Amino acid sequence: AQTVTQSQPEMSVQEAETVTLSCTYDTSESDYYLFWYKQPPSRQMILVIRQEAYKQQNATENRFSVNFQKAAKSFSLKISDSQLGDAAMYFCAYRSARRTSYDKVIFGPGTSLSVIP
Amino acid sequence: SQTIHQWPATLVQPVGSPLSLECTVEGTSNPNLYWYRQAAGRGLQLLFYSVGIGQISSEVPQNLSASRPQDRQFILSSKKLLLSDSGFYLCAGQRAHTEAFFGQGTRLTVV
Repeated sequence: AQTVTQSQPEMSVQEAETVTLSCTYDTSESDYYLFWYKQPPSRQMILVIRQEAYKQQNATENRFSVNFQKAAKSFSLKISDSQLGDAAMYFCAYRSARRTSYDKVIFGPGTSLSVIP
Repeated sequence: SQTIHQWPATLVQPVGSPLSLECTVEGTSNPNLYWYRQAAGRGLQLLFYSVGIGQISSEVPQNLSASRPQDRQFILSSKKLLLSDSGFYLCAGQRAHTEAFFGQGTRLTVV
């Protein structure tokens, strides 16, 4: 069974600095999707970034980028120029890309990010 | 775009009372639907998932049940709430080869 691990329960970063959140996963599949979700204090889950495993190029979305290491099964999120609004819980997630009717999203335990003014 | 409407946003219920939380989906058809529970400051625990009308799978044994009477409707229920049922409940949907999309959640307090 697939698992997702986030080894940093809490992280903090100075405003305008860069922070990297770690994520590792375990799977025997070769085709899958990886996601980072942000959950601010409002508790609404927001998709931050998505990576297809077959793509070697790391995904980027403005100040957010990932370092996808498929062989190492690592998927870290880098937040550049951190802003106060980035403070949230961040979840790493995995989903198989098999063409079946059910492929549940598996979430890591989350990393709580604080941004220090 | 696909959205999930989930209600109520907050709910306070006495121990032993019944529960019904509902979510509906807009903007897509035949999604996979999920109920998650999140304890304060913790990760997401998958409770139930459904791949179609009337098809429910339970991930963990518990006091809750789920139903999917229509393609875009997913209901979380309990006949008698326990204190341990308190938490934040999230409904999520997913179409093939896309990311999951979430409702705004229900904060349930059992007193």
